[in-house]
Amino acid sequence: GAGVSQSPSNKVTEKGKDVELRCDPISGHTALYWYRQSLGQGLEFLIYFQGNSAPDKSGLPSDRFSAERTGGSVSTLTIQRTQQEDSAVYLCASSHPADRGLNSNQPQHFGDGTRLSIL
Amino acid sequence: AQTVTQSQPEMSVQEAETVTLSCTYDTSENNYYLFWYKQPPSRQMILVIRQEAYKQQNATENRFSVNFQKAAKSFSLKISDSQLGDTAMYFCAFMKPYSGGGADGLTFGKGTHLIIQP
Repeated sequence: GAGVSQSPSNKVTEKGKDVELRCDPISGHTALYWYRQSLGQGLEFLIYFQGNSAPDKSGLPSDRFSAERTGGSVSTLTIQRTQQEDSAVYLCASSHPADRGLNSNQPQHFGDGTRLSIL
Repeated sequence: AQTVTQSQPEMSVQEAETVTLSCTYDTSENNYYLFWYKQPPSRQMILVIRQEAYKQQNATENRFSVNFQKAAKSFSLKISDSQLGDTAMYFCAFMKPYSGGGADGLTFGKGTHLIIQP
């Protein structure tokens, strides 16, 4: 597709269940980002992938959160044993790799997000 | 760590008016990037405009322009001839230069809800 695709669009689940969120970036974008948007915390950066590698996972809120990316394309964000405070919109973004010669970051293009509601 | 502050939770103006959204930030970096994103009710974050800190000239995109004051760490967005479709949440965001590793995500402000009245 032309843009970043996220699925599901909405997810409602019971506390304690595991959930998996999917992000399909724009073709050719090697950089991929996950963010969380909640009423209390605003927009928080969670994790960044360059290719299949995530150099720093310290932005993930707890060890219940994990993310992976395979084949340099689709990424999944998994939340185990969900808690009510995990309720939020989870946004994914992708970008071209940074042009190191010009020291220029490429702008990020966002998907529509997954609205996660924990009952 | 960087912080981004948007002091106006909500603003409302009449269609065709000019409106300015404020943003200040705090960083010890000398080189960085600043962005304004728009988020309509559809949830998708749309890039409005970007500014490289090493460029003195203010960025402009059609009706959208910024007033970048590096010494004051201020990055305001001006929307001229506002339109009903400009109604949305507007987020100011900061990003460090690409480092090849570490946390390379955007740091966002809390947002300003802009309402354009007919």
